[in-house]
Amino acid sequence: EVQMVQSGAEVKKPGESLKISCKGSGYSFTSYWIGWVRQMPGKGLEWMGIIYPGDSDTRYSPSFQGQVTISADKSISTAFLQWSSLKASDTAMYYCARRVVVTSTAYFFDYWGQGTLVTVSS
Amino acid sequence: QSVLTQPPSASGTPGQRVTISCSGSSSNIGRHTVNWYQQLPGTAPKLLIYSNNQRPSGVPDRFSGSRSGTSASLAISGLQSEDEADYYCAAWDDSLNGLVFGGGTKLTVL
Repeated sequence: EVQMVQSGAEVKKPGESLKISCKGSGYSFTSYWIGWVRQMPGKGLEWMGIIYPGDSDTRYSPSFQGQVTISADKSISTAFLQWSSLKASDTAMYYCARRVVVTSTAYFFDYWGQGTLVTVSS
Repeated sequence: QSVLTQPPSASGTPGQRVTISCSGSSSNIGRHTVNWYQQLPGTAPKLLIYSNNQRPSGVPDRFSGSRSGTSASLAISGLQSEDEADYYCAAWDDSLNGLVFGGGTKLTVL
């Protein structure tokens, strides 16, 4: 059974660093891209970026480039999303999801993590 | 403002058929397939329709998707109370070189 299990909720202060995780199981971790999606309180879904754990090829949304770092450790089948200096505006739910590539114009996220709530407040 | 445009809300009574539209452009829906996600209150999004009109295993055939030109739509027939959720369309965008989502449509079952 494919599962994406994320780390637990975090409460941080502005300026602090943070790294959250997403562990994939039940499939070949290095064969699928993993994406990260932000959902701010009461708002819609925003794509942040994706990583291919097989070779760590990473793509970022222009909106998040330079704001976060996406990485993966294939030895533990885990992807990460990290911030070096959090802001109050980073308060949101963050989801990871496995991306399936059907063709060069057809891809989708099939399995999603349960979400990690990040709260940044002084 | 989202790259893909969806109506913010939709509603229907049990048993009715409702449709949710998703409007894009030649750089996204016009070139790449559309996927739909359902997000029940307090839960993670769930894949509902992929590749414009394909249902994953376990998704009832009451849900169907279509794409024409630079627009797509999700249809829900035989509306049920458990269909009350937020629905998002998504497609890759070549201009942004990234995935874009619609703003989401909140479906209310009256």
